[in-house]
Amino acid sequence: EVQLLESGGGLVQPGGSLRLSCAASGFTFSSYAMSWVRQAPGKGLEWVSAISGSGGSTYYADSVKGRFTISRDNSKNTLYLQMNSLRAEDTAKYYCAKVWAKMWYFDLWGRGTLVTVSS
Amino acid sequence: QSVLTQPPSVSAAPGQKVTISCSGSSSNIGNNYVSWYQQLPGTAPKFLIYDNNKRPSGIPDRFSGSKSGTSATLGITGLQTGDEAVYYCGTWDSSLSAGVFGGGTKLTVL
Repeated sequence: EVQLLESGGGLVQPGGSLRLSCAASGFTFSSYAMSWVRQAPGKGLEWVSAISGSGGSTYYADSVKGRFTISRDNSKNTLYLQMNSLRAEDTAKYYCAKVWAKMWYFDLWGRGTLVTVSS
Repeated sequence: QSVLTQPPSVSAAPGQKVTISCSGSSSNIGNNYVSWYQQLPGTAPKFLIYDNNKRPSGIPDRFSGSKSGTSATLGITGLQTGDEAVYYCGTWDSSLSAGVFGGGTKLTVL
């Protein structure tokens, strides 16, 4: 079955760190770019970051640049998002998404993992 | 404040047609293809339209897309109660080198 499964969310204090993971199955993971998209409670979608299939190219939203790092392990079919210096405004459900054809086409989404930044 | 501008809500009766607009600029919609996503309550977004007006496999032809200049439009005909969802437009912003979404439009089928 083609699916994405996120994990690693939870409650963290402001200034803290968290690493999200996304396990992919059912498709040739290394052939596709991947992305993280987040959604604050009751709010709209916000593109966070993307990475090419090889991992050689990465892209970030200005709101997370310098604090978040996207990476992937193609041998483990897993996508990661290392989040440092977390702020209250980073509180959101984080979705892992498979990129298709163009970097802003997301044809497969996970169910998301909730990150709450609060003291 | 989203880079792409959508109306917060639209509504129409079952069986009718509705359009949802998405306005941007030359650095995003004006020079890149547009995609659309449907998010049903409590679920992850679903890929609805790509390349401005193409539908992925499995998406009914009741859904259509168009683009003109720096604006795009999603159209839905033969509205059903199951179409009640929030719809998002998305594209790439060449100045930001980042993906961008609209703020989302909540569709109510009365």
